[in-house]
Amino acid sequence: DGGITQSPKYLFRKEGQNVTLSCEQNLNHDAMYWYRQDPGQGLRLIYYSQIVNDFQKGDIAEGYSVSREKKESFPLTVTSAQKNPTAFYLCASRLGETQYFGPGTRLLVL
Amino acid sequence: QKEVEQNSGPLSVPEGAIASLNCTYSDRGSQSFFWYRQYSGKSPELIMSIYSNGDKEDGRFTAQLNKASQYVSLLIRDSQPSDSATYLCAVNQAGTALIFGKGTTLSVSS
Repeated sequence: DGGITQSPKYLFRKEGQNVTLSCEQNLNHDAMYWYRQDPGQGLRLIYYSQIVNDFQKGDIAEGYSVSREKKESFPLTVTSAQKNPTAFYLCASRLGETQYFGPGTRLLVL
Repeated sequence: QKEVEQNSGPLSVPEGAIASLNCTYSDRGSQSFFWYRQYSGKSPELIMSIYSNGDKEDGRFTAQLNKASQYVSLLIRDSQPSDSATYLCAVNQAGTALIFGKGTTLSVSS
């Protein structure tokens, strides 16, 4: 099956801990994106990558980091510098002008 | 700051009625327009895209675009309880990430 997978579905972070959210796609899409969604809010862009080994900051990149070593993979690390990480994290990839979303990871702070 | 505005709702309609969802955007350079449906706790799924002025129909859904007024709408005919969800309007300039509105919650009562 072609698609976008995100893991884990739920993730718990302790104070001062870095955690990494996985995003994988087998759609052969070049561009990939990370968004954050807070309750009752729209999606806000964290980082995006239009090609392997290149990525750009979005509107709320502080406290996050990414890598794009392979076309299929775009992991997001939530660092200890992100003081309010509790949110629903969505990964997307793009074909043409259209973005398609993975199922999301819900991050909670212990 | 590029913005996409939606009425948060909730918009309540009876089963079988037409639901009308509206969206305005601030950037006149926007070229692509999308409607996503998001069920509670799930990721957004694409239901319509529109690129030129006028109407675009797909089954019970019609997207309408007026670039002069910077306005895009979604009509849902013969609304069903399964249409109850949050509808996100998203706007794109070529080659960049989507800008999302905060969404309109639709409730269809049987």
